[in-house]
Amino acid sequence: DSGVTQTPKHLITATGQRVTLRCSPRSGDLSVYWYQQSLDQGLQFLIQYYNGEERAKGNILERFSAQQFPDLHSELNLSSLELGDSALYFCASSVDLGGGETQYFGPGTRLLVL
Amino acid sequence: AQKVTQAQTEISVVEKEDVTLDCVYETRDTTYYLFWYKQPPSGELVFLIRRNSFDEQNEISGRYSWNFQKSTSSFNFTITASQVVDSAVYFCALSEAVGNNAGNMLTFGGGTRLMVKP
Repeated sequence: DSGVTQTPKHLITATGQRVTLRCSPRSGDLSVYWYQQSLDQGLQFLIQYYNGEERAKGNILERFSAQQFPDLHSELNLSSLELGDSALYFCASSVDLGGGETQYFGPGTRLLVL
Repeated sequence: AQKVTQAQTEISVVEKEDVTLDCVYETRDTTYYLFWYKQPPSGELVFLIRRNSFDEQNEISGRYSWNFQKSTSSFNFTITASQVVDSAVYFCALSEAVGNNAGNMLTFGGGTRLMVKP
């Protein structure tokens, strides 16, 4: 158990809908990251937050947004869902924000868009 | 741009065999970090090791060992006397140390699926 929690574990929804994925980092970690794992794209970095502020952005679609709250938990919002958004979404956390920090991953949220 | 290549998409071995998973990376930075993660069938990503670019010493942890060679930009992972429980997808990843304010994204390789048969 990495100490990172994600809810829900599974999510089934329809195209055009909006969903929110939630992540709680390990105790003491200030950085939260979101990754998407799909069959065609592999594991891809989406976005990083550090102590409430966005710090790095990867291949995140405009339909997706995230935020980190004062209690350091984070939410990833996915809207206008398409079939291709079906994937495993991971949250990770690290103590600090700098390059090279070890990231510990949560169990993931498996999203299926029908 | 940084890139990680795991050329072996799938490896099948019989229990107790040794197996090496290859990882080749590309980066323009002189300071960077390499990682290995394990993804068992249950789906979570489990951290195995972190290595910085200035530390070329090989590392051994039980049946696991890692060989880092900057000259060939490789960071290979060997499992000695493999066991059925080692069956998983293994990912190599790279992070560039671009400064504390610039974020910390991991670039992953495509993964190697290891199947250990009894």
